[in-house]
Amino acid sequence: QQQVKQSPQSLIVQKGGISIINCAYENTAFDYFPWYQQFPGKGPALLIAIRPDVSEKKEGRFTISFNKSAKQFSLHIMDSQPGDSATYFCAATSGGGADGLTFGKGTHLIIQP
Amino acid sequence: DAGVIQSPRHEVTEMGQEVTLRCKPISGHNSLFWYRQTMMRGLELLIYFNNNVPIDDSGMPEDRFSAKMPNASFSTLKIQPSEPRDSAVYFCASSGRNEQYFGPGTRLTVT
Repeated sequence: QQQVKQSPQSLIVQKGGISIINCAYENTAFDYFPWYQQFPGKGPALLIAIRPDVSEKKEGRFTISFNKSAKQFSLHIMDSQPGDSATYFCAATSGGGADGLTFGKGTHLIIQP
Repeated sequence: DAGVIQSPRHEVTEMGQEVTLRCKPISGHNSLFWYRQTMMRGLELLIYFNNNVPIDDSGMPEDRFSAKMPNASFSTLKIQPSEPRDSAVYFCASSGRNEQYFGPGTRLTVT
């Protein structure tokens, strides 16, 4: 049972454009939703995270939108740059973030110059 | 801060051999997680510890896998005997509150 569904699998965006990655979850016990960025040969790096008591969180060019009733959340990367080319993972966990993460399958993002 | 430290970074072994992966969490973090990443299954949680105590090992695939955390600064993941299907990148992560920070991973190849 895939508890976190992520789409699209791959995404190509022009430099300066907006990259949008979507995730949906099933487990209503999830209460902490982080996004990770992974470059080849590296470990996942935490980008930004949100709790279900807010609908949006912004950090620099990265924004998470959260829809609790639909059990969906998304990552928006504004003014996408070639350096943003990486694989992005959404994740979810319970216990306020203290439990293990359940990851989506990942989105391979390519920003074309 | 040195971040999460994992060793070795690469391990190549033959089927049937014992493999031990090591992790040093970020100082002061009280939770430690082991994940495995493969193309087929993505990133999946194997086991995690809180204050050196195993909390959830439901992700450990078989009895061939075992993990220990003898103290707050060290954990091991052991596979005995190893099989080709264990080939993957194994990540250790640590957390102080809710943000998990990942190490660079150990790429395991079992031939």
